[in-house]
Amino acid sequence: DSGVTQTPKHLITATGQRVTLRCSPRSGDLSVYWYQQSLDQGLQFLIQYYNGEERAKGNILERFSAQQFPDLHSELNLSSLELGDSALYFCASSPRGNGNTEAFFGQGTRLTVV
Amino acid sequence: DAKTTQPNSMESNEEEPVHLPCNHSTISGTDYIHWYRQLPSQGPEYVIHGLTSNVNNRMASLAIAEDRKSSTLILHRATLRDAAVYYCILGSSNTGKLIFGQGTTLQVKP
Repeated sequence: DSGVTQTPKHLITATGQRVTLRCSPRSGDLSVYWYQQSLDQGLQFLIQYYNGEERAKGNILERFSAQQFPDLHSELNLSSLELGDSALYFCASSPRGNGNTEAFFGQGTRLTVV
Repeated sequence: DAKTTQPNSMESNEEEPVHLPCNHSTISGTDYIHWYRQLPSQGPEYVIHGLTSNVNNRMASLAIAEDRKSSTLILHRATLRDAAVYYCILGSSNTGKLIFGQGTTLQVKP
């Protein structure tokens, strides 16, 4: 158990809908990362937050948005869902959000868009 | 973002050492070298990381070339539970964001 909690574990929704994925980081970790893993794309970095502020952005679509709240949990919002958004979404947290710390990954949320 | 190059797959026998290579010729002076592994249907798991010197922990050792353009992850005695996809990643010193490549699929034979 990494200490990072993601909910829900599974989500099935229809095209065009909007969903919210939630991540609770390890206690004391200030930084949260979001990744998308699909069969054909591998693990893609989406976005990073540090203590409530956006720190780094990756290949995140405009239909996707995220935020980190004062209690440090984070949410990833996916809207106007398409079939191609079906993937595993991982959240990770790290204490200082820099290159000299390890990141701890959650078990992921499996999103299926039908 | 600097990239890494790893073999697609490797095989090892149980209880033998495994050396997983990684090339990162465009590494910047402040990038950390990270290794993560991912078992099927699980999130990636941290293995080890380093900057310039070789590193050891309970899971593995990391040997970093003097010019930092390559590194090797060493599993001292492979077990069946070590069968996974191993990712060599360069971690930005400022953000710590990890850009995953395709990784090396390690098979361990009994």
